[in-house]
Amino acid sequence: DAGVIQSPRHEVTEMGQEVTLRCKPISGHNSLFWYRQTMMRGLELLIYFNNNVPIDDSGMPEDRFSAKMPNASFSTLKIQPSEPRDSAVYFCASSTRLADYEQYFGPGTRLTVT
Amino acid sequence: GQSLEQPSEVTAVEGAIVQINCTYQTSGFYGLSWYQQHDGGAPTFLSYNALDGLEETGRFSSFLSRSDSYGYLLLQELQMKDSASYFCAVPGGGYNKLIFGAGTRLAVHP
Repeated sequence: DAGVIQSPRHEVTEMGQEVTLRCKPISGHNSLFWYRQTMMRGLELLIYFNNNVPIDDSGMPEDRFSAKMPNASFSTLKIQPSEPRDSAVYFCASSTRLADYEQYFGPGTRLTVT
Repeated sequence: GQSLEQPSEVTAVEGAIVQINCTYQTSGFYGLSWYQQHDGGAPTFLSYNALDGLEETGRFSSFLSRSDSYGYLLLQELQMKDSASYFCAVPGGGYNKLIFGAGTRLAVHP
């Protein structure tokens, strides 16, 4: 069984550039989550979708961040323009609606903005 | 709102038993989850307690006391590979959303 797939695994970009992170959830999972992890702030939930619909984006830090889920098998998190403080590991996770406490995380994308 | 407290670091030796505590404050409680994360890796689900008591899964057990807003993760027969960060998590603002604690870094020494 393929787990949650994220790409790219590493991204190094310059300040001001657009960054797009991609995620493919586990087939059959109808909840998808985007997290950001840093040493200072720990693991933060940015946004989550249920059945492709954004349910709560209160964790999105500012308008530079946007997320979409055009279908059940694909989601993107976009940062435009990127800033050095956006440097972090971004995780995508998925779960079934009836077992939201058991989330399956992708390997993460390590983003470095210089 | 929701908040969780857990120790930042715990150290133990191989073969020993270690307990990682978690206290929480949440409006509306649906259960306590535990996740493990190795350095450079992704969080992985370990256990979930919806009801009071002890849940055992191999060398790992998790306990919950809803009246005390408290739970713990018990790791027995510690191995070097258990060195990792351990996070407790509770639902926040709805079933889907998990709020994670800051994590406890466990270092297992020979």
